[in-house]
Amino acid sequence: AQKVTQAQTEISVVEKEDVTLDCVYETRDTTYYLFWYKQPPSGELVFLIRRNSFDEQNEISGRYSWNFQKSTSSFNFTITASQVVDSAVYFCALSEARWGYSTLTFGKGTMLLVSP
Amino acid sequence: SAVISQKPSRDICQRGTSLTIQCQVDSQVTMMFWYRQQPGQSLTLIATANQGSEATYESGFVIDKFPISRPNLTFSTLTVSNMSPEDSSIYLCSVGSGSNTGELFFGEGSRLTVL
Repeated sequence: AQKVTQAQTEISVVEKEDVTLDCVYETRDTTYYLFWYKQPPSGELVFLIRRNSFDEQNEISGRYSWNFQKSTSSFNFTITASQVVDSAVYFCALSEARWGYSTLTFGKGTMLLVSP
Repeated sequence: SAVISQKPSRDICQRGTSLTIQCQVDSQVTMMFWYRQQPGQSLTLIATANQGSEATYESGFVIDKFPISRPNLTFSTLTVSNMSPEDSSIYLCSVGSGSNTGELFFGEGSRLTVL
């Protein structure tokens, strides 16, 4: 069965600190996709990144970077020089292949609080 | 990306009543997904709604409690029936990106509080 574990329930940092959010997954699929979503206090889910299982290159987008390590089944997310606007709940998710389509299995989320 | 509108955005309901949540998408989509997010919890898939067929429910969710309609390719409704305080959650409608990667776009959610 699919499983996504985000062991960090809540992280508090001060602005400009770097912070890493951990994600560990379990799947029997050979091809799969990993995602990070952001849920700010307003509630909507914002897509941040998608990574497929064959691409282990790390990715950087501005202050955000992602480290995918298939050997440890991890897909960690780092925010550099955090800002107050980064305060949100961050969800890691794993695709689950169904017949003809895919759905997502989500981790429990990590609440990030960035204080001024 | 798809633009997804949900109504109501929030509501306070009495125990024993039912509420229907509407989801409108700005483009035609084959699959629509309904998720539930209980307070402080992750998102759990309730059911998958395919136009023209019965919705497919996940383990732990039943049609009598969460009936779903999918009358066309841009619209779906989820009804939460005979509500109890345990049904207090955010209910989110989502659609796939069309890439079959599992990537989903979400509506802003409907926050229900059951007293």
